[in-house]
Amino acid sequence: DGGITQSPKYLFRKEGQNVTLSCEQNLNHDAMYWYRQDPGQGLRLIYYSQIVNDFQKGDIAEGYSVSREKKESFPLTVTSAQKNPTAFYLCASSTGIDFDSYNEQFFGPGTRLTVL
Amino acid sequence: GNSVTQMEGPVTLSEEAFLTINCTYTATGYPSLFWYVQYPGEGLQLLLKATKADDKGSNKGFEATYRKETTSFHLEKGSVQVSDSAVYFCALSVYNTNAGKSTFGDGTTLTVKP
Repeated sequence: DGGITQSPKYLFRKEGQNVTLSCEQNLNHDAMYWYRQDPGQGLRLIYYSQIVNDFQKGDIAEGYSVSREKKESFPLTVTSAQKNPTAFYLCASSTGIDFDSYNEQFFGPGTRLTVL
Repeated sequence: GNSVTQMEGPVTLSEEAFLTINCTYTATGYPSLFWYVQYPGEGLQLLLKATKADDKGSNKGFEATYRKETTSFHLEKGSVQVSDSAVYFCALSVYNTNAGKSTFGDGTTLTVKP
């Protein structure tokens, strides 16, 4: 079955440590996205990538970094510079703007990060 | 720019009640419209979509009609169940613009009581 996987589901980190969240998709989608969701809040875009080896900052990129070395993978690193990293992180993908599509987004199950 | 405004929650209903969650939008261009649902502790799932004016999206008893004249895409269900308790997000995307990104509303939390 095609879909998006995120790992781990729960992640604990000590203050001052970097941590990397995994996101993999087998939908052959060009575009991938990372969102942050805080309790009772909506989605805020962290980074997005339209194509391999290219990515752009979203609305809240400070303290985060990404890479897009493969079409299937879009890992997110939460660095020690992120002052309040405890949140639920969602990865998504879509076919991208070069297709006759409507940019429906497909979401992974999420990773809940807690800073101790 | 693009924006989506959703009815504020939380919304609490009794089982078998009628549900309406309002959604209005502004967009540069001609958007496609979506409703996503998020169950507790999970990612979002597409519930339904509509890609042109007067289209009606439907799924699992939920419906929404793309109203260009009122720039709205209200979600409705005739008889809700406890299992419908979730957060509902309205969203739009404009083909080949805005780097393919979607614009999401803030979400509306629905609780259905038995």
